[in-house]
Amino acid sequence: RKEVEQDPGPFNVPEGATVAFNCTYSNSASQSFFWYRQDCRKEPKLLMSVYSSGNEDGRFTAQLNRASQYISLLIRDSKLSDSATYLCVVSDTGRRALTFGSGTRLQVQP
Amino acid sequence: SQTIHQWPATLVQPVGSPLSLECTVEGTSNPNLYWYRQAAGRGLQLLFYSVGIGQISSEVPQNLSASRPQDRQFILSSKKLLLSDSGFYLCAWSPDYEQYFGPGTRLTVT
Repeated sequence: RKEVEQDPGPFNVPEGATVAFNCTYSNSASQSFFWYRQDCRKEPKLLMSVYSSGNEDGRFTAQLNRASQYISLLIRDSKLSDSATYLCVVSDTGRRALTFGSGTRLQVQP
Repeated sequence: SQTIHQWPATLVQPVGSPLSLECTVEGTSNPNLYWYRQAAGRGLQLLFYSVGIGQISSEVPQNLSASRPQDRQFILSSKKLLLSDSGFYLCAWSPDYEQYFGPGTRLTVT
């Protein structure tokens, strides 16, 4: 079983749509959670941290369910510029290293 | 503000040749530093991490090595490259749990 599992997609959605990505992680001791965005042939960039209480940043909302070991990302009012691969990431407290999911590809179409 | 640099941006090397990739961070002191590799169409694989000068932890046994000769400098090396070493090499720094990536080096071994 992979440590962090994501649906690879691709998710093809029209502009203005709402899209949700899900992710599950296997290590119940994981303490920190993130979503990163990676454009084609570029480095991953931190999109947002994920907290148990849930957090929102503009059109993006992230949720964490520790009991189910499940993380989600919701994107509202999708823009063409949101097209990218979204990486679900969890942190191991012991070594402060991050474990990355393989990513979910989003293609927003005009 | 903090900046992370990597060079070279692209590299084409023959099998059996040596490798040296460099990463430097500006605007912070004593950061945690990381080397990742991303093979084509795959997720990020943690190769090495360092919590201080001369302190290197290896995640994956292979023909690569890492060194941290200065606080903000992290070097990835190989004595003899293999075809399987091709990929996108990313250096990252971390102030706490989240990580910030450099622009990466795209290595092709021929």
